[in-house]
Amino acid sequence: NAGVTQTPKFRVLKTGQSMTLLCAQDMNHEYMYWYRQDPGMGLRLIHYSVGEGTTAKGEVPDGYNVSRLKKQNFLLGLESAAPSQTSVYFCASTHPRQEDYGYTFGSGTRLTVV
Amino acid sequence: QKEVEQDPGPLSVPEGAIVSLNCTYSNSAFQYFMWYRQYSRKGPELLMYTYSSGNKEDGRFTAQVDKSSKYISLFIRDSQPSDSATYLCAMTPILTGGGNKLTFGTGTQLKVEL
Repeated sequence: NAGVTQTPKFRVLKTGQSMTLLCAQDMNHEYMYWYRQDPGMGLRLIHYSVGEGTTAKGEVPDGYNVSRLKKQNFLLGLESAAPSQTSVYFCASTHPRQEDYGYTFGSGTRLTVV
Repeated sequence: QKEVEQDPGPLSVPEGAIVSLNCTYSNSAFQYFMWYRQYSRKGPELLMYTYSSGNKEDGRFTAQVDKSSKYISLFIRDSQPSDSATYLCAMTPILTGGGNKLTFGTGTQLKVEL
C-alpha cells in the first residue's frame, strides 16, 4: 500500500541547474497536484492535472514545468533552478468523485538551491 | 489579503486540555472544508472533512463550520502528546471540472506538553 511516492527525498542544486521531481501514485487517482510549502506561506499550488495528458497552472507556476504522460506519474521540472525555489515540494492525488474530496500526499522533497 | 487565514501559533497546551484551532475565509463559494494534520518532516494527512455548515465528530475531534461567519474550527478533546503537529485547514468550492483544487491555510503549530 504505497499511496503517493516522491523521489528524491532530498536534493541540493546549484543555481542554474535543472532537475525533475517524480511523483507516482498507485491508487488509480485521476487528479494529481504539485505544491510547495514555505514557512509562513502555507501550501501553494504550482501545477495540477485532471487526467493523463493534461496539465494546468496553479497559483505559482513560474519557473516550473510538468508532464503527465502516464496516469500514475506526475513529473515536476525545474529548468534553471533559482534560490527562490528552495522549498519543500509535495505531490498529492485524489479521485474526482472521492466522497471527502481530500488529497493523499506524498512525504515531500526537500530542495535547496545554492 | 489571503483567501484563508489561520493563526500560525505556536500553541502550547498541557496534556488533557481542550484545543481549539480556527480558520477564517473570504470566498463564499467554498463548500467543503477539511482539516489536515502534518507531523514534522512528513506530508499532510486528512483528519476530518465537513460539507457546508454544521458539526462533525470523530472520536476526540470535532469540526465545526459556520458559513454565515466564514469561520471553521477544529476542537481536540483530551489532547495527547501524539497530537503535537501542525494543523492545516483547507477548503474548496468543488466546481465541476475545476480539478477539486484546495486552498490551504498556513497551518497552526500545536504542542501538547506532558
